[in-house]
Amino acid sequence: EVQLVESGGGLVQPGRSLRLSCAASGFTFDDYAMHWVRQAPGKGLEWVSGISWNSGSIGYADSVKGRFTISRDNAKNSLYLQMNSLRAEDTALYYCAKKLGYGDPRGAFDIWGQGTMVTVSS
Amino acid sequence: DIQMTQSPSSLSASVGDRVTITCRASQSISSYLNWYQQKPGKAPKLLIYAASSLQSGVPSRFSGSGSGTDFTLTISSLQPEDFATYYCQQSYSTPVTFGPGTKVDIK
Repeated sequence: EVQLVESGGGLVQPGRSLRLSCAASGFTFDDYAMHWVRQAPGKGLEWVSGISWNSGSIGYADSVKGRFTISRDNAKNSLYLQMNSLRAEDTALYYCAKKLGYGDPRGAFDIWGQGTMVTVSS
Repeated sequence: DIQMTQSPSSLSASVGDRVTITCRASQSISSYLNWYQQKPGKAPKLLIYAASSLQSGVPSRFSGSGSGTDFTLTISSLQPEDFATYYCQQSYSTPVTFGPGTKVDIK
């Protein structure tokens, strides 16, 4: 079964750090680009960051640029999001998502995890 | 950044109704437009990719059309399980951006 399982969320104080993980199974992880998407409580979807299959291409939303770092370990079938200098507005459910298909990096997200909640509050 | 808008923001419909949701991009995105369905407490589910391609396993009552800046998601005959929020997404350029969503509920 194709599956993504996020972990690492929790309650953290403003200014502190957190590292999210996403464990992939059921597909050849190193063939696909991967993304993080977040959803604040009661709000819409916001793309956070994406990484190509070989980590050669990485992108960030302006709202997290310079604070968040995406990475992947293909040997461990895992995706990561290092979040530093966290702010209250980073409070959200964080999903990892797999890009549909090979080749063109500009594609839809066909597999999503269940999400991990990050709450930034003092 | 490419801005995505959706209309309507919400709609009420009955089972069996034909439902149309529109999505507009602030600049041309060719056919790099995707549609997702999200139910409360669940992750988004891909319905349509590349503007008009039906994702595997998605019922054929869902269809998408459009190119450039204007796109449409159509549900030909609304079913009880289709009551949800629908989001469009452009994957033409980084940052990837989503529309604000359209909530479809029961009339």
